[in-house]
Amino acid sequence: KNQVEQSPQSLIILEGKNCTLQCNYTVSPFSNLRWYKQDTGRGPVSLTIMTFSENTKSNGRYTATLDADTKQSSLHITASQLSDSASYICVVSLNAGNMLTFGGGTRLMVKP
Amino acid sequence: DVKVTQSSRYLVKRTGEKVFLECVQDMDHENMFWYRQDPGLGLRLIYFSYDVKMKEKGDIPEGYSVSREKKERFSLILESASTNQTSMYLCASSFGTGTGELFFGEGSRLTVL
Repeated sequence: KNQVEQSPQSLIILEGKNCTLQCNYTVSPFSNLRWYKQDTGRGPVSLTIMTFSENTKSNGRYTATLDADTKQSSLHITASQLSDSASYICVVSLNAGNMLTFGGGTRLMVKP
Repeated sequence: DVKVTQSSRYLVKRTGEKVFLECVQDMDHENMFWYRQDPGLGLRLIYFSYDVKMKEKGDIPEGYSVSREKKERFSLILESASTNQTSMYLCASSFGTGTGELFFGEGSRLTVL
């Protein structure tokens, strides 16, 4: 069964600190992996996309990594800001059709 | 910028009422989706559509139907709302075939009393 597991479920950090969110998947055949940010009460917005051949991709203070061998991805947030408080959702695409598998999300709270 | 607009941010309905959730996108995307999002369960796909007048069931279609009469508009219909359909409903669209980026609307929070 295709699954995407995210950890931790929730995380509280102080403003200015770094953090790393994890995403493990069993989806096969793999096409790509996206990280979305969802602010409270809003729809998710794509942060990064990673394909099979990519190891690292950055978007400002957000850096995503992918290890296709171990089927793991991480999202690293550097120098966190209050506006980073949100849910982060990992979405893995099958290499067939339009099938997406969503992780349960990590809820991040950045405190001043 | 791509814009996906959902007609209602908040709705309160009574059990047994018919509910329409409207979604419009302005980027000529072929694909449109309806998801529901519940705490601890993540996003679950209800229905999707690759073209006008075309629809496919997602993972949890029971109790829902959809309509896509125009390319830019995808409607979700609850024929007879029940309390277990209280949820956040998210519409999304994407371009082309395969697994492109999803562009989401702001969501519609439905409460069924």
